[in-house]
Amino acid sequence: QVQLQESGPGLVKPSETLSLTCEVSGGSVSSNNWWSWLRQAPGKGLEWIGEVHGEGSTNYNPSLRSRVTISVDESKNQFSLKVTSMTAADTAIYYCARDLWAGGLDVWGQGSTVTVSS
Amino acid sequence: ESELTQSPASLSLAPGERATLSCRASQTAAAFLAWYQQKPGLPPRLLISDTSHRAADIPDRFNGSGSGTDFTLTISGLEPDDSAVYFCQQRINWRDTFGQGTKLEI
Repeated sequence: QVQLQESGPGLVKPSETLSLTCEVSGGSVSSNNWWSWLRQAPGKGLEWIGEVHGEGSTNYNPSLRSRVTISVDESKNQFSLKVTSMTAADTAIYYCARDLWAGGLDVWGQGSTVTVSS
Repeated sequence: ESELTQSPASLSLAPGERATLSCRASQTAAAFLAWYQQKPGLPPRLLISDTSHRAADIPDRFNGSGSGTDFTLTISGLEPDDSAVYFCQQRINWRDTFGQGTKLEI
């Protein structure tokens, strides 16, 4: 049973870069799967940030593409998210998930709360 | 850009009743439509994938249907534990997009 766990700083200063990691257990990150990052601002809906395939290919939300990098680290069995130039609008719960495309996002991490504040 | 619009925004029903949640895509042929349930403080939980396939351990009270631009999640025999926000999601043009959610209160 695949499980995901996000980790990273809870507080980021404006203009800084957010770095989050998602540890994959019970399976391999380099398997034939897509791994997504999503976020949910307080009281709001879900926003898909982007995804990485186990072999390294990526897709991004066009609205965030210029600030986002998602990558895979096979040696640590994890994938990561970097978002540059953070602002208060980026304050949200950040989730990692396995994206089966036709099968939906079937496994989710518990979420990592990120606040952007000086 | 294909968007998903959910209706109603909120719904209040009694235990035992049936809930009908709608999700409409702005472009034709929404691909791979899924439904999720989210309770406060928890991540979303996959209920339905590919329009009508129930995820593992999802009771048959939850049913997905639809085609083209109009999709429906029906929850029969409502229970208090079904109180949650329900999101629809589509996979199209190499990205995922979500509806804004329907809040269901039992």
